Amino acid sequence: DAKTTQPTSMDCAEGRAANLPCNHSTISGNEYVYWYRQIHSQGPQYIIHGLKNNETNEMASLIITEDRKSSTLILPHATLRDTAVYYCIVRVGDYKLSFGAGTTVTVRA
Amino acid sequence: DTAVSQTPKYLVTQMGNDKSIKCEQNLGHDTMYWYKQDSKKFLKIMFSYNNKELIINETVPNRFSPKSPDKAHLNLHINSLELGDSAVYFCASSHVRGLTDTQYFGPGTRLTVL
Repeated sequence: DAKTTQPTSMDCAEGRAANLPCNHSTISGNEYVYWYRQIHSQGPQYIIHGLKNNETNEMASLIITEDRKSSTLILPHATLRDTAVYYCIVRVGDYKLSFGAGTTVTVRA
Repeated sequence: DTAVSQTPKYLVTQMGNDKSIKCEQNLGHDTMYWYKQDSKKFLKIMFSYNNKELIINETVPNRFSPKSPDKAHLNLHINSLELGDSAVYFCASSHVRGLTDTQYFGPGTRLTVL
């Protein structure tokens, strides 16, 4: 699986959009970009995934650059309940997820 | 209607004991997993089972023995518990479709070995 680089932490204001960057410059053509998050003391939660095109669901939007070397997860209106560690993972469906350190996102009132 | 459930939620035991953690999923998935999250918070895959067959064993000591009685259950038995086994263990399940899958995680079992 390609390695990803994420900022260690970031803060955002409640009600504002949170933009979480991820670099994956060694991504290969068949690898997908996945985002999961882990709220304190809970199991990881799937957010979204994509291959080339931008994706949106009820939780977030995923913007992937044209060269696929980086992506951004957008939480459109962050709430206090979005405080969590966010993981960007690049992979094919190979029966495992390889978690890095992720980005600790703190949403402040 | 919990999708992936684990029991127990907390487990405190002495070194040298044998213990089991149970996992059940009601999503109809064909693949189940065990992950370990240590005190440094890194999540690592331990095992993957697809249709009751072991497909991934990530250099886990053979004191850990997963057992899948059917596709909806994947239990983890640990023999001769050691202090270093203290961690949170997460079960997950998914249905792999081609090159993609979405994994759903259980709430975790916090194991403390004294």
